[in-house]
Amino acid sequence: EAQVTQNPRYLITVTGKKLTVTCSQNMNHEYMSWYRQDPGLGLRQIYYSMNVEVTDKGDVPEGYKVSRKEKRNFPLILESPSPNQTSLYFCASSRPLLETQYFGPGTRLLVL
Amino acid sequence: LAKTTQPISMDSYEGQEVNITCSHNNIATNDYITWYQQFPSQGPRFIIQGYKTKVTNEVASLFIPADRKSSTLSLPRVSLSDTAVYYCLVGGNRDDKIIFGKGTRLHILP
Repeated sequence: EAQVTQNPRYLITVTGKKLTVTCSQNMNHEYMSWYRQDPGLGLRQIYYSMNVEVTDKGDVPEGYKVSRKEKRNFPLILESPSPNQTSLYFCASSRPLLETQYFGPGTRLLVL
Repeated sequence: LAKTTQPISMDSYEGQEVNITCSHNNIATNDYITWYQQFPSQGPRFIIQGYKTKVTNEVASLFIPADRKSSTLSLPRVSLSDTAVYYCLVGGNRDDKIIFGKGTRLHILP
C-alpha cells in the first residue's frame, strides 16, 4: 500500500530536549516536505526536499533541521524544542512538484 | 508564488451543491490550480487540479475563467461527510515552496 508514515504519532517533551520525528514514504517520490498546522494559521511549510541531499527552507524553518540522506526518509529534527513549537506536524511526498501530494497521518507534539 | 484568497467559512445543507471560490489575481502563466480537502487531525487529501476552463472528476468540478484570476471548486450534492477544510493552491513546476493558506472551513448541516 502506498503511504507516508510518521513516527511518533504523539509526543510530549520538555523544553530543550532534542527530538526527531521520522517520515518515510514507499512511493519512490522525489519531493518531500514538512508542514506544521496551528489553529487559525492553516498549514505552513517548514522545509522541503527536491531530492536526496537537496533541502531548502519553507516559510517557517526557524528552530528546525532536516536531512535527506535516502530518497524514502525525511526526518524533522528539533535540536532545542520550545513551547512555541507545540503543533500538529505533517510530512508529505510527491513525484514532480505538480503531482498530488500524499500526506502522512500527522504527529502531535506538545513541548512543556 | 501566487497568493490566494478564500472565504474563511461556509455553511450549506445536505444535498445542495456547494461552490467555493478562490481568488488568485497574480497567477502566473505556468501556474496550476490545485484543491485539497482536510478532515480534523488528518493530512490534506488531493481533490482536483486544473489549468483552465473546466475539470471534472468523480468527486468535484473545477471551473476556471479565461483570465484565470479566480477558480471555483464545485461539490455536487454534499453530505455531512463533506464537512472539512478546503484549500486552494496555486503554483507551477518551477516553484519549490508550497503555500496552503488558511483554507475554507465548510460545514454541512442536516
